[in-house]
Amino acid sequence: QVQLVESGGDVVQPGRSLRLSCAASGFTFSSYAMHWVRQAPGEGLEWVAVISYDASNKYYADSVKGRFTISRDNSENTLYLQMNSLRGEDTAVYYCARDSYGEYFLDYWGQGTLVTASS
Amino acid sequence: QSALTQPRSVSGSPGQSVTISCTGTSSDVGGYHYVSWYQQHPGKAPKLMIYDVSRRPSGVPDRFSGSKSGNTASLTISGLQAEDEADYYCCSYAGSYTHYVFGTGTKVTVL
Repeated sequence: QVQLVESGGDVVQPGRSLRLSCAASGFTFSSYAMHWVRQAPGEGLEWVAVISYDASNKYYADSVKGRFTISRDNSENTLYLQMNSLRGEDTAVYYCARDSYGEYFLDYWGQGTLVTASS
Repeated sequence: QSALTQPRSVSGSPGQSVTISCTGTSSDVGGYHYVSWYQQHPGKAPKLMIYDVSRRPSGVPDRFSGSKSGNTASLTISGLQAEDEADYYCCSYAGSYTHYVFGTGTKVTVL
């Protein structure tokens, strides 16, 4: 069965960096685009970034553009999110999610990992 | 890109129907047939309930249905059950660069 397991969440000071990982299993990871979606405490969902199946295309929300970098290692079935210059407003649970094949919806989600940017 | 607009909360008694609206613009909801809906219970990951405006994934009860008219999409839950109490988010494809925009979320309460 499809599994997505995020890790790397932590408490970090504003201005510092953090890298999140998402380990995928149960499907052909290299065939699917992957996303990061976040949810601030008590708030709604916010799309963060997407990477194509072969990493040739990457797109970001304006709120993280220039600070966050999405990447993937298809040999390791792992998705990453490098977060630099963290701000308080980046505090959230970060979910990785699989994009449907050839369509436009997120069909599987991980359980999330909490990032807290606070001094 | 602004979040899609949803009512903050809706409620109904068991067996009743509730409808959640999701209003966007011609750049997202109105421009594509790619509206999806997600259910989220407290402390849990979102779960796909509807995709492509009105299609249900395998395993989702048929009491969940979706529709769209212009810039507004809707999710209807018929025959409300206790386990339907959760937060619901709409989501629309909004083009290659913005990709996805989510709704503000609606809390469904079963009275």
